[in-house]
Parts: sequence; C-alpha cells; structure tokens
Amino acid sequence: DAGVIQSPRHEVTEMGQEVTLRCKLISGHNSLFWYRQTMMRGLELLIYFNNNVPIDDSGMPEDRFSAKMPNASFSTLKIQPSEPRDSAVYFCASTAGQNNEQFFGPGTRLTVL
Amino acid sequence: AQSVTQPDIHITVSEGASLELRCNYSYGATPYLFWYVQSPGQGLQLLLKYFSGDTLVQGIKGFEAEFKRSQSSFNLRKPSVHWSDAAEYFCAVGPPGFQKLVFGTGTRLLVSP
Repeated sequence: DAGVIQSPRHEVTEMGQEVTLRCKLISGHNSLFWYRQTMMRGLELLIYFNNNVPIDDSGMPEDRFSAKMPNASFSTLKIQPSEPRDSAVYFCASTAGQNNEQFFGPGTRLTVL
Repeated sequence: AQSVTQPDIHITVSEGASLELRCNYSYGATPYLFWYVQSPGQGLQLLLKYFSGDTLVQGIKGFEAEFKRSQSSFNLRKPSVHWSDAAEYFCAVGPPGFQKLVFGTGTRLLVSP
C-alpha cells in the first residue's frame, strides 16, 4: 500500500510568494493532520480534518496560512504571502477511525528566502 | 489538558548497550500512548502503541515500552542498541475516542562506536 504522499519534497521560494503544499491520504483513511517542525518549536499541530471537515485549526499561526480538503483523499496547505520565519518541515499524517495511530508522510522542507 | 514530557533532549549510548528513553504524560485517565521514531530527513514512523491490556508492549526494530499507571510513564527500551537506531524519538498521547495527539519534544539518540 502506498503511504501518505507529500509534494513537493523540497520547496525554495522568496518572501512574499505563495506556497502550496500537497498531501494525499492513505486510501481508506478519513482524518488528515498538518504539522510543522522546527528546531525551535519542535512538532506543532497546525490543523486537522475529519471526513473533510476542519475540526481544530487553533494551531494555524496566522491568516496567511490556510488548509483545505477538497475531497476525501487530498489536502493542501497554502501560505500566502510566505515569510522567512515560515521555513520549516511540514508534515501531513492520516489516520482511520478513532484508534489515533497516525501515519506520517515524508515531509516537505520549505525554505523562504 | 494533556501533556507529554520527555526530560532528555539528547542521549548518547554506546553501540551494544541498553537504552531507556523516558516519557511522562499528564492525563486524567489512561490515554492511548505511542512512540514514534524519526530518522534524519524522514517522516515519523510508529514504533509501538499502547491502548489497553498487557502493560509491556513490543514494537518494531526490537523496541519495547512499559506503561506504568502509577508513575504516568511510558518509557521506551531496547536491550542492545545498533548504530542504525540513531534518530529522534517522540512520545505521544491521545485520549481514547479522539484523534488529536499531543507529542513530546523528542529525544535525540546518538550511538557511539
């Protein structure tokens, strides 16, 4: 089975540009989580969805960040405009049911110059 | 509110020596407990999980963890460490029936020859 798929794996952009990160869930999973990992702050939950509905977005740092789940298997995280402090590794994870076991993607390393 | 404490930021162990990584949690009842491992440049991979039952849980790669309710702990152990075990290890807790996990800050394991 394919795991969680993220694209791109690396993104380098300039301050002010729009960045879109993509995530494909494992088939059959119905919940999707976006995390951000930095040296300073560790692993932070940004937002999570259940059955395409955003459940908790309290971790989204600013209005510059937005996330969508246009269908049951795909999600995007958009940063507009991007800033250097957004540089981090962004992970998505998916899970099925309520057993809490999350499967992580390989991450997208974002660098904003 | 739930919280997870991993008191050791870094641990160095000689190859072949035993390992114990500490994890303490704060939660009103028995939560679901997890250990994840992150190798450099990779996403998080589940090592093992505890939901209920036998308090000694076996995982992948020769790891085990013991749930101790009286100490609110879920320490990870391995009897003999291999150089390939060098990675960052995260403990996580989630309430049964919900999907959001709270992660600890991680412990970086270094393995010396």
